[in-house]
Amino acid sequence: TAGITQAPTSQILAAGRSMTLRCTQDMRHNAMYWYRQDLGLGLRLIHYSNTAGTTGKGEVPDGYSVSRANTDDFPLTLASAVPSQTSVYFCASSDSPATGLSDTQYFGPGTRLTVL
Amino acid sequence: QQPVQSPQAVILREGEDAVINCSSSKALYSVHWYRQKHGEAPVFLMILLKGGEQKGHEKISASFNEKKQQSSLYLTASQLSYSGTYFCGTASPGGGTSYGKLTFGQGTILTVHP
Repeated sequence: TAGITQAPTSQILAAGRSMTLRCTQDMRHNAMYWYRQDLGLGLRLIHYSNTAGTTGKGEVPDGYSVSRANTDDFPLTLASAVPSQTSVYFCASSDSPATGLSDTQYFGPGTRLTVL
Repeated sequence: QQPVQSPQAVILREGEDAVINCSSSKALYSVHWYRQKHGEAPVFLMILLKGGEQKGHEKISASFNEKKQQSSLYLTASQLSYSGTYFCGTASPGGGTSYGKLTFGQGTILTVHP
């Protein structure tokens, strides 16, 4: 079972350029999430989607946008990258949007992005 | 607001025990524990729901004190495979579309030596 796949694995991007990080899950989970992970700061939620067709802002949404056209895919777009967006980006999914109850979040392998 | 984990780092010898704490300033509905190996994705360990229950499997267990808004992860007779960064994720009652979203602590780096 593939679970969650992310692409690309890593990327070096010039400041000002745009980029879309891809995330696909095959578990038919309702909810999907994007996190960024920076040293000493843990995982911070960027955007989330409780179900296909809906999205919401997380803790650090500025400079990022998402869409959820179907259940499986949840791309993250950086419209005009800045060096502070250098980070490791993880996509995750869970079966229910109410993860506070009893849900597990499953994480993809991550995308390492460097903005120069 | 991000939960606070302590200690920030722990170094153990194989067979020793460790406790990792997670403390929140907000009322909690549940606490989730994850372990992340270097260069890999976080992997789920366990969820604790409000009610003060203690859960565990094998030699890793955890407790949740909702009154104190704290959770602790207990690693007993540590093995080399326990090395990694441990994160707690907390969920607070919030209502609306923010309900149930996890907020992660900054992580605790655990290193087990032979």
